[in-house]
Amino acid sequence: GAGVSQTPSNKVTEKGKYVELRCDPISGHTALYWYRQSLGQGPEFLIYFQGTGAADDSGLPNDRFFAVRPEGSVSTLKIQRTERGDSAVYLCASSLRGGREGSPLHFGNGTRLTVT
Amino acid sequence: DQQVKQNSPSLSVQEGRISILNCDYTNSMFDYFLWYKKYPAEGPTFLISISSIKDKNEDGRFTVFLNKSAKHLSLHIVPSQPGDSAVYFCAASGAGGTSYGKLTFGQGTILTVHP
Repeated sequence: GAGVSQTPSNKVTEKGKYVELRCDPISGHTALYWYRQSLGQGPEFLIYFQGTGAADDSGLPNDRFFAVRPEGSVSTLKIQRTERGDSAVYLCASSLRGGREGSPLHFGNGTRLTVT
Repeated sequence: DQQVKQNSPSLSVQEGRISILNCDYTNSMFDYFLWYKKYPAEGPTFLISISSIKDKNEDGRFTVFLNKSAKHLSLHIVPSQPGDSAVYFCAASGAGGTSYGKLTFGQGTILTVHP
């Protein structure tokens, strides 16, 4: 079956612009996560959705970052007034039962964001 | 504050031999641990996990060992194959009752298996 799909795969934008990154989770997965991976580091948690609601957004770095999941499936990560430090690979993951044993996170291939 | 640490940036192993990847953590509230493998331009792929009530979990060529008193876990791959060459991430979750999907990752170890 289809895995987690992220679009676009690459995004180059100028400093100060607004960007949207899209994630299509595995069908039927109610839990959805956004992570960010900077060069040479492991992924860092940003936000977790259970259904339509953000259950935990403690990883969002500041109020320029926002994410939505209006119908409990597709999610969009939105970044306002982008800065060069936002350049990273943004990873989306989904899970059937919230990452519990036997229900691991399935990651997409990520969106590589470059802010020039 | 790096709560999950992989102190070896890289590891090189001969095909057929054992690969041992190590990971240390500092948060004693973590109670679920995982290993992910990542190929270039792909997302991380789940390999194996272990809960804190166990000290060993095995799945085919992959075995994870957990030493809670030392706050240390390791991944053993036997026998190693060239296709195992990838970046391996250790991750932990469950601290303080948070979501099991809220993972804290280490920095990764690049494994190269030579034919």
